Amino acid sequence: KQEVTQIPAALSVPEGENLVLNCSFTDSAIYNLQWFRQDPGKGLTSLLLIQSSQREQTSGRLNASLDKSSGRSTLYIAASQPGDSATYLCAVSSGTYKYIFGTGTRLKVLA
Amino acid sequence: DTGVSQDPRHKITKRGQNVTFRCDPISEHNRLYWYRQTLGQGPEFLTYFQNEAQLEKSRLLSDRFSAERPKGSFSTLEIQRTEQGDSAMYLCASSLTWGGDEQYFGPGTRLTVT
Repeated sequence: KQEVTQIPAALSVPEGENLVLNCSFTDSAIYNLQWFRQDPGKGLTSLLLIQSSQREQTSGRLNASLDKSSGRSTLYIAASQPGDSATYLCAVSSGTYKYIFGTGTRLKVLA
Repeated sequence: DTGVSQDPRHKITKRGQNVTFRCDPISEHNRLYWYRQTLGQGPEFLTYFQNEAQLEKSRLLSDRFSAERPKGSFSTLEIQRTEQGDSAMYLCASSLTWGGDEQYFGPGTRLTVT
């Protein structure tokens, strides 16, 4: 049974810092891994999708990497801004297309 | 196309009542998913459609829950005889098979059962 863990559960950093969010999963036979952002009381916004054959994806200040063999993904945020404050969720699918989510990392970027 | 939409955004109901939620996916997306999210947790999978066929249901989806996707377009999720434990955010997502299956989520329906 796939389990997804995100560390840390919460993170508070000053504006301008580079930071790394971690996601680990127990079954390496994944199809996709997707990172999302969720603002309080809102739906999920897709940030980056990494397919099983890929090692990383980049979008603007965000970079996500995938190491299937070790069951890990990281989301790197460069030059953090107060507007980046949100909960970041990692989700993996294992061929049946449904996602298994972690519990998220609550990020607060201080101005 | 403005993305996945859900209606209503908020629903307050009394225990024992039936409720129905609607999801309109991104047009031409052939896959549609329902998830449930409680406070402080990540979303949990409920069910998934490919076109009009319901292909998988979670054991979380008790007999009181039913979902449909007639004609492979919009979908409805009905909860009968609601219980306080059904209070949660119900999220809908859609994806395109040949688009890498990136899932796009709607804003959710917040259900409160009193």
